[in-house]
Amino acid sequence: SQQGEEDPQALSIQEGENATMNCSYKTSINNLQWYRQNSGRGLVHLILIRSNEREKHSGRLRVTLDTSKKSSSLLITASRAADTASYFCASKSLDAGNNRKLIWGLGTSLAVNP
Amino acid sequence: KAGVTQTPRYLIKTRGQQVTLSCSPISGHRSVSWYQQTPGQGLQFLFEYFSETQRNKGNFPGRFSGRQFSNSRSEMNVSTLELGDSALYLCASSFMADGTDTQYFGPGTRLTVL
Repeated sequence: SQQGEEDPQALSIQEGENATMNCSYKTSINNLQWYRQNSGRGLVHLILIRSNEREKHSGRLRVTLDTSKKSSSLLITASRAADTASYFCASKSLDAGNNRKLIWGLGTSLAVNP
Repeated sequence: KAGVTQTPRYLIKTRGQQVTLSCSPISGHRSVSWYQQTPGQGLQFLFEYFSETQRNKGNFPGRFSGRQFSNSRSEMNVSTLELGDSALYLCASSFMADGTDTQYFGPGTRLTVL
């Protein structure tokens, strides 16, 4: 099964509101990355947070990492219609075969209504 | 720097045929990863190549294969196509392997199997 699991699966908000999505993982990680995907296109990297970091900011984005709970959250503040996309987390961790690689979640679909 | 390019962008094949997809990474990147994305399964890791060697492989049948050339360009091949192979195939390049750093994605190749 996918290690990274985003929650919620879908989120619908109004422009100007904040959007929070969460990601959980199962094994220890080196880093955790968040990506955005607009409909049917390639993914775009948003933020990479390393296992020894607790919080990172990039513009309207804020990512937190709680290694004790094996979870991360992505907060988008003052959302815009252009933020409508799917958001994925990917954790660099060990898979079932003890290979270290990126393991992806199923994504959160965010709809920002004007 | 030019981004990751994938060719072709769209492809229609029939069951039983084979297909070859191509990916040119960002100049200087030595790692190329391939993913299959479908609405029901999300982003599924196929394989990763680094300096012409396969480093990691996902849980796909042997009909899916790939290779990387000395200029880091990569191809993936799917033989004996099945209807379930219809998907968006994404390639991503990075400087380092194993998810250590940011993945840069191409726009994808949308494969439809009839």
